[in-house]
Amino acid sequence: DAGITQSPRHKVTETGTPVTLRCHQTENHRYMYWYRQDPGHGLRLIHYSYGVKDTDKGEVSDGYSVSRSKTEDFLLTLESATSSQTSVYFCATDPRDTYNSPLHFGNGTRLTVT
Amino acid sequence: DAKTTQPTSMDCAEGRAANLPCNHSTISGNEYVYWYRQIHSQGPQYIIHGLKNNETNEMASLIITEDRKSSTLILPHATLRDTAVYYCIVLERMTSGSRLTFGEGTQLTVNP
Repeated sequence: DAGITQSPRHKVTETGTPVTLRCHQTENHRYMYWYRQDPGHGLRLIHYSYGVKDTDKGEVSDGYSVSRSKTEDFLLTLESATSSQTSVYFCATDPRDTYNSPLHFGNGTRLTVT
Repeated sequence: DAKTTQPTSMDCAEGRAANLPCNHSTISGNEYVYWYRQIHSQGPQYIIHGLKNNETNEMASLIITEDRKSSTLILPHATLRDTAVYYCIVLERMTSGSRLTFGEGTQLTVNP
């Protein structure tokens, strides 16, 4: 959807290892977001970016960092994965071509931390 | 953030209209109501949005009450493929980004 590719689609890792998830977009959208989805919590915002090298925290940012070195890529890093970070991670982009343009979502990365 | 409340689940017969309600009593004057759906843990799919007027597109219709405290998403002829979780969301626009606050949504099951 809207040229958003998330990689990997599935990953299993061990507690304490670093993990990086990638979101790649081809639409040249300025704004990008990382959400996680867990049963009983819906989707929660982790971090977002409003331009290259411009990022800010969302509501569940502890244990996560992000980087945006170019418009098309937004990376989410778990420096030391924990079992509580087992989740499905979604990337979204925002064209902002109008005030009320909707966000577009990728198809997610399923991360399991053992 | 404006919050939304939706029923946990609803059922609908195939071919009939599905009417999904949403309450957003704390919505601000310039906040839009958005509807997304999610099928089989795929990424949320945008359906429709509106401010105060009723809206219609190829997927659905959105009816917003005059006081803007509630809205209804209408799928005019539901099919089995419309079985999904439907989210009613108020989008908070900021200069540095937008916040979509997702609740638990409504699980719509379309029955044959």
